[in-house]
Amino acid sequence: GEDVEQSLFLSVREGDSSVINCTYTDSSSTYLYWYKQEPGAGLQLLTYIFSNMDMKQDQRLTVLLNKKDKHLSLRIADTQTGDSAIYFCAPKAAGNKLTFGGGTRVLVKP
Amino acid sequence: ETGVTQSPTHLIKTRGQQVTLRCSSQSGHNTVSWYQQALGQGPQFIFQYYREEENGRGNFPPRFSGLQFPNYSSELNVNALELDDSALYLCASSERGTPGGYTFGSGTRLTVV
Repeated sequence: GEDVEQSLFLSVREGDSSVINCTYTDSSSTYLYWYKQEPGAGLQLLTYIFSNMDMKQDQRLTVLLNKKDKHLSLRIADTQTGDSAIYFCAPKAAGNKLTFGGGTRVLVKP
Repeated sequence: ETGVTQSPTHLIKTRGQQVTLRCSSQSGHNTVSWYQQALGQGPQFIFQYYREEENGRGNFPPRFSGLQFPNYSSELNVNALELDDSALYLCASSERGTPGGYTFGSGTRLTVV
């Protein structure tokens, strides 16, 4: 089955850029999603990229996909304190299911 | 449009008991998936329902079962509860064949004592 790996923790200063990385194993993944989870809450869809794209920009969010290396990243520009949360990478492959990584906890310091 | 709603929000059960969790999908969505999220971990896929039939299952034992109703709402049933079943259970709805991703509910926090 699919394995998805993410670094555990990222600390960033308010106003700086954050980059969250993810690696996955299933090359048949069609869409790759980024979700945000705040304490005690469900998952909020941030953005996604189709597997035949290299990059997608959505306001402060930029997704980069290196399909050859099975590496996905999420860049958040001008990071704000409200961006403090856990971020999950989730490729969608066969069976129409999402496989989640363990999540990256982002702490934004003022 | 309404989002995904789950009930109850919190639940405490005793080991060996049975539990039913409920989910109302987002308007226009015909597929419902259930995920288990243990503390400090990412969500794990339990199963998915489409057109009232199970359409994919993760690595969970048969005591985890579900239903989808004609209005696309869904239930997750867990029999013979174990302490390790304590987790946040997330329901997600989607429209099959579209790339828009899954819309998640806020979850049901189940504690088994």
